[in-house]
Amino acid sequence: DIVMTQSPLSLPVTPGEPASISCKSSQSLLHSTGYNFLDWYLQKPGQSPQLLIYLGSTRASGVPDRFSGSGSGTDFTLRISRVEAEDVGVYYCMQTLQTSFTFGPGTKVDIK
Amino acid sequence: QVTLKESGPALVKPTQTLTLTCTFSGFSLSTTGMRVSWIRQPPGRALEWLARIDWDDDKFYSTSLKTRLTISKDASKNQVVLTVTNMDPVDTATYYCARTYPGRGTGGFDPWGQGTLVTVSS
Repeated sequence: DIVMTQSPLSLPVTPGEPASISCKSSQSLLHSTGYNFLDWYLQKPGQSPQLLIYLGSTRASGVPDRFSGSGSGTDFTLRISRVEAEDVGVYYCMQTLQTSFTFGPGTKVDIK
Repeated sequence: QVTLKESGPALVKPTQTLTLTCTFSGFSLSTTGMRVSWIRQPPGRALEWLARIDWDDDKFYSTSLKTRLTISKDASKNQVVLTVTNMDPVDTATYYCARTYPGRGTGGFDPWGQGTLVTVSS
């Protein structure tokens, strides 16, 4: 299985400031179509996860444009341009190139 | 509006078989490219993908759990069923189902159900 790692695992943030989370995969996630099969999810406290980014860099419907995904191959980054209080929770990356899909361990984001 | 809802027993005994049902609305699993996955999350821990079924009845399973999992669908009832055999206390988790919409690769899980907590204990 493809192993996913994230850093940092804990990220205290200041509202209004930028934040970024790194996700690395043990194998390239670049598909023959040219897309990277990498998703980002946010699980807010007490809620089900919600899709933020799919295919590496495409924002899901309704996701604010302060969220962006970038990277290719084995290295990916989720950026929040200006953190808001509602952005707290655990962020997961997940690879969907190989079934069985695998998630990263999660990055817990909270307010300083 | 697209919704998914998981249902099943809240408590199962060790060695028993767990049967979970995902009942959905707002889309058809007969539509080309549509997929439904099951994912679980032990209390306080990370997400773990379990299984997926596609519009054409293709089925895929977690490498580590594939001998214990069976996924099926009844498109006419708008349901996807997951069975997990030989349940163990380590299988205690919230179980989610989620949809993949065509054109989002094989993931892009959106939306997710509310989840159902299953506890394994004698």
